[in-house]
Amino acid sequence: DVKVTQSSRYLVKRTGEKVFLECVQDMDHENMFWYRQDPGLGLRLIYFSYDVKMKEKGDIPEGYSVSREKKERFSLILESASTNQTSMYLCASRSGTTYEQYFGPGTRLTVT
Amino acid sequence: GEDVEQSLFLSVREGDSSVINCTYTDSSSTYLYWYKQEPGAGLQLLTYIFSNMDMKQDQRLTVLLNKKDKHLSLRIADTQTGDSAIYFCADGGSGNTGKLIFGQGTTLQVKP
Repeated sequence: DVKVTQSSRYLVKRTGEKVFLECVQDMDHENMFWYRQDPGLGLRLIYFSYDVKMKEKGDIPEGYSVSREKKERFSLILESASTNQTSMYLCASRSGTTYEQYFGPGTRLTVT
Repeated sequence: GEDVEQSLFLSVREGDSSVINCTYTDSSSTYLYWYKQEPGAGLQLLTYIFSNMDMKQDQRLTVLLNKKDKHLSLRIADTQTGDSAIYFCADGGSGNTGKLIFGQGTTLQVKP
C-alpha cells in the first residue's frame, strides 16, 4: 500500500511565525503535490514537484514556498504565517508514469 | 481557467442508490477522478476514468462519463452508513501532469 504521511495532524501557530509542513511518501514516487482545502472551495493546488530539487507553482502559491531535497520528502513553508492561511493542508504523491494520486491524512493549521 | 462543479449535499436512505454528479469545463480532459473523504481524514482514491470510456464499474461503484455534455457521475449501489463522506470529483486535464482541479465536494448523508 502506498503510504503518504504528514508530520502533524494539528498545528497552531502565531501570525508572523515561519511554519514548516512535512510530507513523506514511501513509494519512490517522482511527483509530489501540496493542496489546501477550504470549505466550499474544494482543494486548490499550491505547489508541486516533478522530481528532486524541481518545483513549480500551482494555482495559489502566494505566501508559500517549498523544498524537495530528497525524493521521498516534500516540505511546504509558510515564510510568515497569516490568519488567512488557516486551512487544511493535504500532500499527495504519484508515480510519473501512472494516473493514481495518493493523499496524506492532512494537517489542520490554525494561525492566530 | 478550467472549472469543476458539484452539488454540495445529497441525502439518501440506507439501501438506496446514490448518484453524485459533476460537470467540468475542459473539453480536452483525458482522465477524471472520484475521491472520498471521511471526517478528519485525507482523500481516498475511489476510481478514475479515461475520456475514451463511457462507463466504468467497480463493485458497488459505477462511473458514467458523458463527454459531449462534460458530465461525470458516480453511482453507489446499496448505499451504507459507512458511505457517508464528502465525495470529490477531479479533472486531471489534458496531459499527464498530475495537476488536479477539484470540485467543491458533495457531502453524502446516509440515513438509517
